[in-house]
Amino acid sequence: QITLKESGPTLVKPTQTLTLTCTFSGLSVTTNAVGVGWIRQPPGKALEWLALIYWDDDKRYSPSLKSRLTITKDTSKNQVVLTMTNMDPVDTATYYCAHRRPDSSGTYFDYWGQGTLVTVSS
Amino acid sequence: QSVLTQPPSVSGAPGQRVTISCTGSSSNIGAGYDVHWYQQLPGTAPKLLIYGNNNRPSGVPDRFSGSKSGTSASLAISGLQAEDEADYYCQSYDSSLGGSLVFGTGTEVTVL
Repeated sequence: QITLKESGPTLVKPTQTLTLTCTFSGLSVTTNAVGVGWIRQPPGKALEWLALIYWDDDKRYSPSLKSRLTITKDTSKNQVVLTMTNMDPVDTATYYCAHRRPDSSGTYFDYWGQGTLVTVSS
Repeated sequence: QSVLTQPPSVSGAPGQRVTISCTGSSSNIGAGYDVHWYQQLPGTAPKLLIYGNNNRPSGVPDRFSGSKSGTSASLAISGLQAEDEADYYCQSYDSSLGGSLVFGTGTEVTVL
């Protein structure tokens, strides 16, 4: 059974850097074609993909946020970390991490964490 | 700013069939990239509903089905039930701007 859980601050100030950690079990990020991604959802709005890291350390980012995002993995701790710089109130959202299923049908997420709400406010 | 457009809402009576469209373009659905669908119940994380255009993960009722044609995709829910009241999102890949995963604008399904 694959489980993922997000952790990090619930409140950050504008211009600060956000660091979120996704701790998972039941999967190995060294398995071929496995990936872990981050997706966010502002209150009452749609899902937005942020970043994805693959088993081979290949990293992909949303083009609109690429300059602000960094995704890394720590295989020994079963964790994936996302950092987002220069936070703004518009970045207030629930942030999810999710497992990218190794499949020939493209990239999609079959297991999701519960999400963590991050509020950006001074 | 999603590149995949969905109707904001659809509704139907219990037992009816409803469909949700997901309209893209030549750089995503029209380019042949697969479409996936998620169900998000109120206050919960999204759940994978359909992958690879028309495949259901284990445990998803066969009332849910997906299709794709041209630059669009659709999710159909037959035999609508009260428990299907949720938000639904399509997702695909877009090759423009260096490549990106993209989600649809989301559709709220209401069971009358």
